[in-house]
Amino acid sequence: QVQLQESGPRLVKPSETLSLTCILSRGSISSYYWSWIRQSPGKGLEWIGYVYYTGTTNYNRSLKSRVTISVDTSKNHFSLRLSSVTAADTAVYFCARENGGGFFDYWGQGALVTVSS
Amino acid sequence: EVVLTQSPATLSLSPGERATLSCRASQSVGSDLAWYQQKPGQAPRLLIYDASKRAAGIPATFSGSGSGTDFTLTISSLEPEDFAIYYCQQRSNWPPGYTFGLGTKLEIK
Repeated sequence: QVQLQESGPRLVKPSETLSLTCILSRGSISSYYWSWIRQSPGKGLEWIGYVYYTGTTNYNRSLKSRVTISVDTSKNHFSLRLSSVTAADTAVYFCARENGGGFFDYWGQGALVTVSS
Repeated sequence: EVVLTQSPATLSLSPGERATLSCRASQSVGSDLAWYQQKPGQAPRLLIYDASKRAAGIPATFSGSGSGTDFTLTISSLEPEDFAIYYCQQRSNWPPGYTFGLGTKLEIK
């Protein structure tokens, strides 16, 4: 069974860059689309973007100017960078697998990242 | 951009009752719709994909129906562990991406 685990700093200062990595165990990152999704406290789910194992990316238009998602197939992980963060970027960040069918079948447990000075 | 509207926002029912949750899309999404269950402190869990197909390990009490713009998630007989928040989600070709509804909170009456 595929397992995903987010890692990275949980506290980021305003205007700095949020960086998270999702490590895949019990499965290969080759094939599939690998997404980041966030959920602000008490709010719904927002898709941030995905990276295909080849490195092709697709980002939410509302975040595109600040987002970079990359993949490292040799380490079986993919990463998120979100620049110029503000308090509005405080959220639980999930990594997830989209198997090409348009839905997310495996999710990480989530990482709460707080933007605060 | 496709907007998904879920109703009701909150549904209060008792164990053993039948739950009917609605998701309406602002434009047709065909059968490209999924449903998820989320409990506090947990990641969403895939229940239904392609509008009506149950994901692996999901009990038969969960069923999905609909196509185009109107979709329904039905839980035929509520168990205590079914009380959670339910989200619908779709994939769009333009703009390319994915959107979620705001959720329906299913609470114990």
